[in-house]
Amino acid sequence: DAKTTQPPSMDCAEGRAANLPCNHSTISGNEYVYWYRQIHSQGPQYIIHGLKNNETNEMASLIITEDRKSSTLILPHATLRDTAVYYCIVSPPQGAQKLVFGQGTRLTINP
Amino acid sequence: DVKVTQSSRYLVKRTGEKVFLECVQDMDHENMFWYRQDPGLGLRLIYFSYDVKMKEKGDIPEGYSVSREKKERFSLILESASTNQTSMYLCASSSTYRTGYTFGSGTRLTVV
Repeated sequence: DAKTTQPPSMDCAEGRAANLPCNHSTISGNEYVYWYRQIHSQGPQYIIHGLKNNETNEMASLIITEDRKSSTLILPHATLRDTAVYYCIVSPPQGAQKLVFGQGTRLTINP
Repeated sequence: DVKVTQSSRYLVKRTGEKVFLECVQDMDHENMFWYRQDPGLGLRLIYFSYDVKMKEKGDIPEGYSVSREKKERFSLILESASTNQTSMYLCASSSTYRTGYTFGSGTRLTVV
């Protein structure tokens, strides 16, 4: 079973910041938070991951609370191409670990 | 950039046929995975492999087998296709020493 809870859907206006929340209250000390997204009819795409510090890359920012029980993925200037299902996953750090996908959040960016 | 290539984008097969889904990755990744995705059920892990000739069952292995004879190739086999195996099949690979999976574009299989 997925260890995360996400809202099933969200809307955001184009050009605004999209903030996607994720609860992971049972996260273990060695588990990272990963975010993937899946654009319609494509395979999931890795976005970002973090352990306890906030992280930023060219795609997004990840804010993890101090107690690590929740996190927020931020798309700073959402475009129509960011419309996708976003998955928040917790997992140990090794690349060999199986990823367990939940239902994710369907983010719709509106013009 | 790593690429994961799945041999077919769309496939239609008849009930009872033996079906091979092929996946090839070009970045020397140790680990490869097969998922299926169905509406309302999300992505579910079928089989995975950490090395050549090694395989591990995922959450829903029944009705499937896999083969990994070369590091870059991971095949999913439906021994006798059934209509309940109609689904989107996604292959992924990852390095043991780096973070992140890379997925292929998927094969939409229809069994009639």
